Amino acid sequence: EVQLVESGGGLVQPGGSLRLSCAASGFTFSSSAMSWVRQAPGKGLEWVSSVSGGSGSTYYAASVKGRFTISRENSKNTLWLQLNSLRVEDTAVYYCAKELRVFLAAKGSNWFDPWGQGTLVTVSS
Amino acid sequence: DIQMTQSPSSLSASVGDRVTITCQASQDISNFLNWYQQKPGKAPKLLIYDASNLETGVPSRFSGSGSGTDFTFTISSLQPADIATYYCQQYDNFPITFGQGTRLEIK
Repeated sequence: EVQLVESGGGLVQPGGSLRLSCAASGFTFSSSAMSWVRQAPGKGLEWVSSVSGGSGSTYYAASVKGRFTISRENSKNTLWLQLNSLRVEDTAVYYCAKELRVFLAAKGSNWFDPWGQGTLVTVSS
Repeated sequence: DIQMTQSPSSLSASVGDRVTITCQASQDISNFLNWYQQKPGKAPKLLIYDASNLETGVPSRFSGSGSGTDFTFTISSLQPADIATYYCQQYDNFPITFGQGTRLEIK
């Protein structure tokens, strides 16, 4: 069974940092691009970042570019999201999700499935 | 960026009703569109991929159609278990974008 488990969320002050982890199991981790998607309380889904299967390419939403860093270690089946210079508006549940494709530039079918259960990041003083 | 305009934002319907949600892309995205269901407190779940393909294990009362800029998601006969928020998602280009969501309630 494919499974994704996030951890690392918590309460942090504005300007602070946090590192989220996503532990993957049940599939060949290096054969899938991975993404982070967040959801502010009571709001919709917002894509945050994606990384290709081999870490060769990454993409970020404009709202987090320069502050967040996505990375992965395929030998450990683990995805990370480093959150720096956090703002109140970064408060959200952060989900990791497995993509169908390996390469982010690949055209053709793609979807996010499955998703992890999410980890809550609260930025507040 | 490709904007995804989803409507309605909320919908109240009776059990057995046919329910339709629309999603309009700001530019041609071919069929690079997915639909997700999110129940309260849970992660989103893939229902429809590539605009019209039903994910394995998803009940056949769910369907999707469209291509280019206009897409439709339909529940043929609403069931109590379908109470959730539904999102469309385009993956034609980065940034990947979602519709605003449609909150579905039972009347």
